[in-house]
Amino acid sequence: GAGVSQSPRYKVAKRGQDVALRCDPISGHVSLFWYQQALGQGPEFLTYFQNEAQLDKSGLPSDRFFAERPEGSVSTLKIQRTQQEDSAVYLCASSLFSGGLPEQYFGPGTRLTVT
Amino acid sequence: SQKIEQNSEALNIQEGKTATLTCNYTNYSPAYLQWYRQDPGRGPVFLLLIRENEKEKRKERLKVTFDTTLKQSLFHITASQPADSATYLCVSRGSGGGADGLTFGKGTHLIIQP
Repeated sequence: GAGVSQSPRYKVAKRGQDVALRCDPISGHVSLFWYQQALGQGPEFLTYFQNEAQLDKSGLPSDRFFAERPEGSVSTLKIQRTQQEDSAVYLCASSLFSGGLPEQYFGPGTRLTVT
Repeated sequence: SQKIEQNSEALNIQEGKTATLTCNYTNYSPAYLQWYRQDPGRGPVFLLLIRENEKEKRKERLKVTFDTTLKQSLFHITASQPADSATYLCVSRGSGGGADGLTFGKGTHLIIQP
């Protein structure tokens, strides 16, 4: 079946622009996670949804970052007034059960470059 | 704060040998550890999960150990092949509920040389 998909795969934004990154999780998966991965680093947790409820947003780096999952399936990560330090790969992952166990299925990521 | 440490330098192993990757954790006691593989331009792929009450877990050519005394997990690939070349990530979460504190290591870049 289809895995986790993300769009766009690549995004170039000028500093100060707003961007919206989309994640389509595996159908029926309860949990959805967003991560930020800088070059040469491991993914860093941003936020977690259980169905439509955002249970943890402790990893969001600033109030310019906003995520939603209004119907408990597709999720959007929005970054307002992008800065150069926002350049990274943004990964989405979904999991069948709550809490991300036993494994998370990752999408290919969206590479954001802020110029 | 809780920390996962992996040797972020590249590990070069000759084909056919066993590759051993190390994951050390500090300042907490994870309920489990997971290992993921990541290829360039792709998202991580789950390989194995080992819980704190398990000493060892195997899957085909892969073996993971969990030593709560040493605060360390070892990830072994036996009979390594060039196709095993990738970055391997160690990830954990603390004991207790919620999704807070998901922590990834930086990953170890493994290169299997023919």
